[in-house]
Amino acid sequence: EVQLVQSGAEVKKPGESLKISCKGSGYSFTTYWIGWVRQMPGKGLEWMGIIYPGDSDTRYSPSFQGQVTISADKSISTAYLQWSSLKASDTAMYYCVRQGGSGYYLPFDYWGQGTLVTVSS
Amino acid sequence: EIVLTQSPGTLSLSPGERATLSCRASQSVSSSYLAWYQQKPGQAPRLLIYGASSRATGIPDRFSGSGSGTDFRSGTDFTLTISRLEPEDFAVYYCQQYGSSPRTFGQGTKVEIK
Repeated sequence: EVQLVQSGAEVKKPGESLKISCKGSGYSFTTYWIGWVRQMPGKGLEWMGIIYPGDSDTRYSPSFQGQVTISADKSISTAYLQWSSLKASDTAMYYCVRQGGSGYYLPFDYWGQGTLVTVSS
Repeated sequence: EIVLTQSPGTLSLSPGERATLSCRASQSVSSSYLAWYQQKPGQAPRLLIYGASSRATGIPDRFSGSGSGTDFRSGTDFTLTISRLEPEDFAVYYCQQYGSSPRTFGQGTKVEIK
């Protein structure tokens, strides 16, 4: 069974750093793109970026380029999303998603349960 | 960036009725690269339709997707139809294009119980 299990909720202060994780299981982690999607409170879905764990090829949405870093450790089948300096506007639910194959243009067929990040002073 | 506009914003219907949701793109999207997702409160979204009209694994056949345009391989207008609403279908639905970067989502249509 394919599963994406994300790390738990976080409460941080503005300016702090954070790294959240997404562990994949039940499939070949290195041959599927893994992405991140943001959902701000009461709002819609925004695609942040994506990584191919096999070779760490990473693509970002222009809206998130330079704001976050996406990485992966294929030895432990885990993808990461990190911030160096959080802002209150980073408060959101973050989902990791798997693309449905090794090709680049594919839908998101599996979603993690989400990680709620709250940034407040 | 391709902007997807969904309509209506909210659809108020009764169980058993037919729901028709629209997704319009600001520029042509290959019909192979349009998906629909369902999100229930407190849950992650799940894939319903991909390639504009193919149901994802385990999705009931009351859900169907279609696209329109002068070329069957592309278009700007897409539709998700739920033939007969079940109680579990009341949720928010998002369309997404994944044929160009950045991937973009529509703003969502909420299907609520009338």
